[in-house]
Amino acid sequence: GQSLEQPSEVTAVEGAIVQINCTYQTSGFYGLSWYQQHDGGAPTFLSYNALDGLEETGRFSSFLSRSDSYGYLLLQELQMKDSASYFCAVGTGGFKTIFGAGTRLFVKA
Amino acid sequence: DVKVTQSSRYLVKRTGEKVFLECVQDMDHENMFWYRQDPGLGLRLIYFSYDVKMKEKGDIPEGYSVSREKKERFSLILESASTNQTSMYLCASSLSGQGTDTQYFGPGTRLTVL
Repeated sequence: GQSLEQPSEVTAVEGAIVQINCTYQTSGFYGLSWYQQHDGGAPTFLSYNALDGLEETGRFSSFLSRSDSYGYLLLQELQMKDSASYFCAVGTGGFKTIFGAGTRLFVKA
Repeated sequence: DVKVTQSSRYLVKRTGEKVFLECVQDMDHENMFWYRQDPGLGLRLIYFSYDVKMKEKGDIPEGYSVSREKKERFSLILESASTNQTSMYLCASSLSGQGTDTQYFGPGTRLTVL
């Protein structure tokens, strides 16, 4: 079957750096995306990696290693507003995307 | 700004009722999707559509059907609601592509089936 694995919960302090890992096992691979969802809100797109390496967007970076079927989201200079759930997602082809179960990030003061 | 709207934020229905969830996007996107979100399971794809009147089953289509008569509107139908369909339902749209395009999500409909 197809699956994406990510930790269920991560806790970090304000100002710190946190890494959320995602490993995937899918029949097709058309890129790894990350979405953020605050409680009661809609998921919103954060980043996308089609090729190996690091993509940086402000405080957020995302990394992909296709040979290891692995990626991560790196959040720097954590702020309280970063407390949310983060989902990795893989485009598997045929217009379909598979989402991980999500990682709940708690940022403490 | 892409806007995806869903007809209701909260909905309570009785077992056996026919339920319609409506989704509208205003960005002329080709693709539209319906997901359900349950704790610990993430987002699971119910159905998607890549063109008007075209639809494809996702990973959990049982008990659901969809309709896309106009490009901007994608409806999810629960023919006979059951308690195990109590969930958060999220609609999304994307411009095009093989699952690589950014998906824009609506605010969700929290459906409770009693």
